[in-house]
Amino acid sequence: DTGVSQDPRHKITKRGQNVTFRCDPISEHNRLYWYRQTLGQGPEFLTYFQNEAQLEKSRLLSDRFSAERPKGSFSTLEIQRTEQGDSAMYLCASSSQGGSYEQYFGPGTRLTVT
Amino acid sequence: GQQLNQSPQSMFIQEGEDVSMNCTSSSIFNTWLWYKQDPGEGPVLLIALYKAGELTSNGRLTAQFGITRKDSFLNISASIPSDVGIYFCAGILSGSARQLTFGSGTQLTVLP
Repeated sequence: DTGVSQDPRHKITKRGQNVTFRCDPISEHNRLYWYRQTLGQGPEFLTYFQNEAQLEKSRLLSDRFSAERPKGSFSTLEIQRTEQGDSAMYLCASSSQGGSYEQYFGPGTRLTVT
Repeated sequence: GQQLNQSPQSMFIQEGEDVSMNCTSSSIFNTWLWYKQDPGEGPVLLIALYKAGELTSNGRLTAQFGITRKDSFLNISASIPSDVGIYFCAGILSGSARQLTFGSGTQLTVLP
């Protein structure tokens, strides 16, 4: 399977704990995006990487959130001191270099904060 | 917050019927994408549109990029049970980089 993969698919954590999610983009794609989706809503943009550079961050990305893409391949999204409001589906997408704006999504990580 | 108004919110149709849904905005978009999402999964790209007035088909799906660049439409012809799911429009705002702004989705139910 050469699509976007995410790990884990599900995570249950207690409030105040830290969590980290991983995303592996389509192998030839140099752009990687993180989105958050709550129930009944469309995904909302969090941040965007081109290769290893983080080019854009949403105001939704509070200082408890940090994302990295150290070698321009996989990416991690860490949430520190989780809150119940962080419960959501975290989606990763990738797109190829050049003029294409088509973003291909992974299956997502469902986070539940208890 | 969301800048795209997607309608209808939900639809119940009979198998074999055609379906139309749309997204509108007060802002100008450079690109429109349509996705389908099944429960517990990520959105799957259906159609991409890049030019105002563009009409693009993908099998039974046809989408159009509105000439004002503020709206887009998706039509599904001869619906089948596997068309069930949530359909999202998404666009890239003029002047923004590459982040997608999503509509709130249209829940489609196909009755046998």
